[in-house]
Amino acid sequence: DIVMTQSPDSLAVSLGERATINCKSSQTVLYSSNNKNYLAWYQHKPGQPPKLLISWASTRQSGVPDRFTGSGSGTDFTLTISSLQAEDVAVYYCQQYFNARTFGQGTKVAIK
Amino acid sequence: EVQLLESGGGLVQPGGSLRLSCAASGFSFSDYAMSWVRQAPGKGLEWVSLIGASGNDTYYADSVKGRFTISRDSSKNTLYLQMNSLRVEDTAVYYCAKGRPEDYWGQGTLVTVSS
Repeated sequence: DIVMTQSPDSLAVSLGERATINCKSSQTVLYSSNNKNYLAWYQHKPGQPPKLLISWASTRQSGVPDRFTGSGSGTDFTLTISSLQAEDVAVYYCQQYFNARTFGQGTKVAIK
Repeated sequence: EVQLLESGGGLVQPGGSLRLSCAASGFSFSDYAMSWVRQAPGKGLEWVSLIGASGNDTYYADSVKGRFTISRDSSKNTLYLQMNSLRVEDTAVYYCAKGRPEDYWGQGTLVTVSS
């Protein structure tokens, strides 16, 4: 099974500042045949279902603000929120879909 | 508009059974893999089970393997999760979700396992 590990578990960032979340997989999620990373990022707010932000490690979903950026390849990935807004307070999860599914443990983002 | 509507949650005693359903609409159900994901109180998201578009391929988290069974009925556009031998630690909100990765999610149904 692929284990996903996020860091940090939580972070507090001032409004307008950058937030960075890291995600590491226990084995590669890069499929060599198509050169795609099977890595997604979700935003989860209380009382709502999770929302897919980014797929294939760096492809922003339609309607997702461009302040959200995904990067990385192989086993190391990053979600960056370039200028934190109040509505971005949530728990963020990385997920591999290379082999079945696994989520990271989540990173709680708050306002400092 | 894609819609996923879960039902079947409720209170059940340890060792009991429950069947969750997820009614899908707004997309070609038989073209997509479908998943169940849960969130226990105060915990993170946990992937539970996955079924391929054809229904021939199924996958389970180790925590539910041998107790839960995922299935789908394309004639009814419905996804199911049969949960047997339920444990207190299965208490959670259960979401169904579409695709790879999961791009649409239902609102969830609460399963409470307690005596």
